[in-house]
Amino acid sequence: GQQLNQSPQSMFIQEGEDVSMNCTSSSIFNTWLWYKQDPGEGPVLLIALYKAGELTSNGRLTAQFGITRKDSFLNISASIPSDVGIYFCAGPRSGSARQLTFGSGTQLTVLP
Amino acid sequence: KAGVTQTPRYLIKTRGQQVTLSCSPISGHRSVSWYQQTPGQGLQFLFEYFSETQRNKGNFPGRFSGRQFSNSRSEMNVSTLELGDSALYLCASSYIAGGDGELFFGEGSRLTVL
Repeated sequence: GQQLNQSPQSMFIQEGEDVSMNCTSSSIFNTWLWYKQDPGEGPVLLIALYKAGELTSNGRLTAQFGITRKDSFLNISASIPSDVGIYFCAGPRSGSARQLTFGSGTQLTVLP
Repeated sequence: KAGVTQTPRYLIKTRGQQVTLSCSPISGHRSVSWYQQTPGQGLQFLFEYFSETQRNKGNFPGRFSGRQFSNSRSEMNVSTLELGDSALYLCASSYIAGGDGELFFGEGSRLTVL
């Protein structure tokens, strides 16, 4: 079945640093999604990518849909304390837009 | 507008019991999906309902079931609970017309099975 390999598993960074995380798959995805989950909350959609090669920004966040459709990355610039949380990549299963396959998540810790 | 509401937020059950979790989607959203989140397996799709019909089902045993009502509210039930069913159960709603994969998640119901 479709699986998403997300890395790194965790990151400890200093406030102000840039962050990069990525997701790869052995299968093609037609949509790539990036979610963030805060403690005690459900995941919240950060960025949605619908086209191979697409580069999309949302404030300090930038995500790209890989040309091969088998990978995506998320960058966070100038990290701040509220960036702490778990970041998930996700993609819809073929033929079912709302049945998402999620990556294992990247736990981000921002040190003051 | 109000977000996705899940009840209860926390519950403790013992093995063999059954549990019912409730989800109220965002007003106007007609699709409700359920996911199980555990430290070991991560986020896994359980099932999706639209117009009171199950549209998709993940790879979970028959002990996991759900339903959707005419007002789009949904419930999921787990029977004969096992220790491994301890998890955060997340409900997500979407407005099915467009917006591929744009799910709006609730805060979840955290189930502990003793």
